[in-house]
Amino acid sequence: GAGVSQTPSNKVTEKGKYVELRCDPISGHTALYWYRQSLGQGPEFLIYFQGTGAADDSGLPNDRFFAVRPEGSVSTLKIQRTERGDSAVYLCASSSLAGVGNEQFFGPGTRLTVL
Amino acid sequence: AQKITQTQPGMFVQEKEAVTLDCTYDTSDQSYGLFWYKQPSSGEMIFLIYQGSYDEQNATEGRYSLNFQKARKSANLVISASQLGDSAMYFCAMREGPRNQFYFGTGTSLTVIP
Repeated sequence: GAGVSQTPSNKVTEKGKYVELRCDPISGHTALYWYRQSLGQGPEFLIYFQGTGAADDSGLPNDRFFAVRPEGSVSTLKIQRTERGDSAVYLCASSSLAGVGNEQFFGPGTRLTVL
Repeated sequence: AQKITQTQPGMFVQEKEAVTLDCTYDTSDQSYGLFWYKQPSSGEMIFLIYQGSYDEQNATEGRYSLNFQKARKSANLVISASQLGDSAMYFCAMREGPRNQFYFGTGTSLTVIP
């Protein structure tokens, strides 16, 4: 399909393990965002890419979280030494331009459960 | 301070009636964008409507309209002729430049009653 895709859809891991979450944005979209959504809450901004570079990573909660977008398309969110508090739905969104008026298109999310 | 405030955790509306979902925002930027998204139980985030800070007219998209009151910093969503399929979480969001961060509210759960 032409939408934003995220894999895996569900990920169960044990405390202390490393996980990678993948986002494949809409083709041609230069802006890519990662969010975390805890149960009953709105999405919380994590990081924003414009092209290959992280334009704003101020939302990453700590240095266990890292994201890359090496070719300006697919992005991977990496979480080291996972903790139970990392359990949430991780949403990815992309938009064609970074201007304030450009809507974001969201992927279906990855539900991460840390046991 | 919260960037986006949604004070209604849950709302009920009768089918075919109109409903207003409240949203207030906080920014010192002159240029910003306001968005509403719908999130059904399936979890996907669906874009509904957008209002730019410089837009003089209230945005409308089909049964959705945005009641934009800039001086009061409010951007309420009005859904007319509610349908059962409108039952979902609704999130108000704001985008500010130049960092283009996107801030979401805590959401309002809307239930449409047959």
